[in-house]
Amino acid sequence: AAGVIQSPRHLIKEKRETATLKCYPIPRHDTVYWYQQGPGQDPQFLISFYEKMQSDKGSIPDRFSAQQFSDYHSELNMSSLELGDSALYFCASSSRTSGSFTDTQYFGPGTRLTVL
Amino acid sequence: SQQGEEDPQALSIQEGENATMNCSYKTSINNLQWYRQNSGRGLVHLILIRSNEREKHSGRLRVTLDTSKKSSSLLITASRAADTASYFCATVGQGGGTSYGKLTFGQGTILTVHP
Repeated sequence: AAGVIQSPRHLIKEKRETATLKCYPIPRHDTVYWYQQGPGQDPQFLISFYEKMQSDKGSIPDRFSAQQFSDYHSELNMSSLELGDSALYFCASSSRTSGSFTDTQYFGPGTRLTVL
Repeated sequence: SQQGEEDPQALSIQEGENATMNCSYKTSINNLQWYRQNSGRGLVHLILIRSNEREKHSGRLRVTLDTSKKSSSLLITASRAADTASYFCATVGQGGGTSYGKLTFGQGTILTVHP
């Protein structure tokens, strides 16, 4: 079965540079979530989209922005990178059923971002 | 962690033994989910239990939920070396409209199963 695809898998950037992470949800999934997991930490919710509209926002820095496109893929744009942005970035997708957002989220393999 | 505590933080057992991990959370929930993560890799969904359920089974996994105590436990029976991983509980809060569904994770339990 198709899974969530994230690219790139690894990314190395210098401080103050910009990074773009991409997420391709499972086909027919209409909701995308982004999470950040620092070293030894639990994943933290950043932002989510439903039907190409932002639906919820967590502890996402103003330097980060994201969007969901007409083909449902999503991109997380990160500018003015800082050392503390080094982390695993996960995308997850789900399918809204019966008007509910409460079903299983399927995670991608993650993008490991290292900021030097 | 925004969500609460997982207990224990690390667990080391022998193959064939049972492993029990506990999770506490702070707010009212719609459901609670357990995920597994192998070192530095993606999160694999294990099981989802809804707030109106008390117990759920899936293969060697058994999950319980006590909403009055805001706690859950994950039991892995007859553990195998391949079960070695970090285990996270995550909750979906109650809410309405379009602004819920996000997962709030606990700190995780590192499980090591020795052959």
